[in-house]
Amino acid sequence: SQQGEEDPQALSIQEGENATMNCSYKTSINNLQWYRQNSGRGLVHLILIRSNEREKHSGRLRVTLDTSKKSSSLLITASRAADTASYFCATTPGGYSTLTFGKGTMLLVSP
Amino acid sequence: NAGVTQTPKFRVLKTGQSMTLLCAQDMNHEYMYWYRQDPGMGLRLIHYSVGEGTTAKGEVPDGYNVSRLKKQNFLLGLESAAPSQTSVYFCASRSPASGTDTQYFGPGTRLTVL
Repeated sequence: SQQGEEDPQALSIQEGENATMNCSYKTSINNLQWYRQNSGRGLVHLILIRSNEREKHSGRLRVTLDTSKKSSSLLITASRAADTASYFCATTPGGYSTLTFGKGTMLLVSP
Repeated sequence: NAGVTQTPKFRVLKTGQSMTLLCAQDMNHEYMYWYRQDPGMGLRLIHYSVGEGTTAKGEVPDGYNVSRLKKQNFLLGLESAAPSQTSVYFCASRSPASGTDTQYFGPGTRLTVL
């Protein structure tokens, strides 16, 4: 079963706007990661946030984690057309070496 | 550094045929994974390996077998393909020594079973 669920399923914005995607999960985790998948390609790791962290930044990306609500959000600021992709959250349940992925948010950034 | 490579990129099979997908990584990673991705779905783990000679079942292992004879290679086999196995297959690897759970993905193999 899939641990994470992203919301919304699809998001359409204009270049320069911010994009926010949310992820909810079910069980306790060691960390949560966000990956990007361009159409027809493999997944690329974007950012990882550990369970004892609340917020993390990397360039135009900002990730928050609320373990009490079992949720995370990914904010992409000043979006570009090149950000058009699907975004997945993935969690690592404690003690395992595997990742469990959500179904993803499809982001479309129009010029 | 090629990273994670997968062969073939595309394949069409008839029901009942067999095939092997090859994943190779040149990063000396201990752990390797096979996933399948279906439309509108995230990735689901088929099998994984935490070291040469070891394999373990993931979420959706039925109909697949794997082998990890060499550290750099992870093979996924379909003994008797079924239309339900039409999917895009991704391989990934990671190093437990990195201190993170970040996985590195290959470009995928698109398989169609008629």
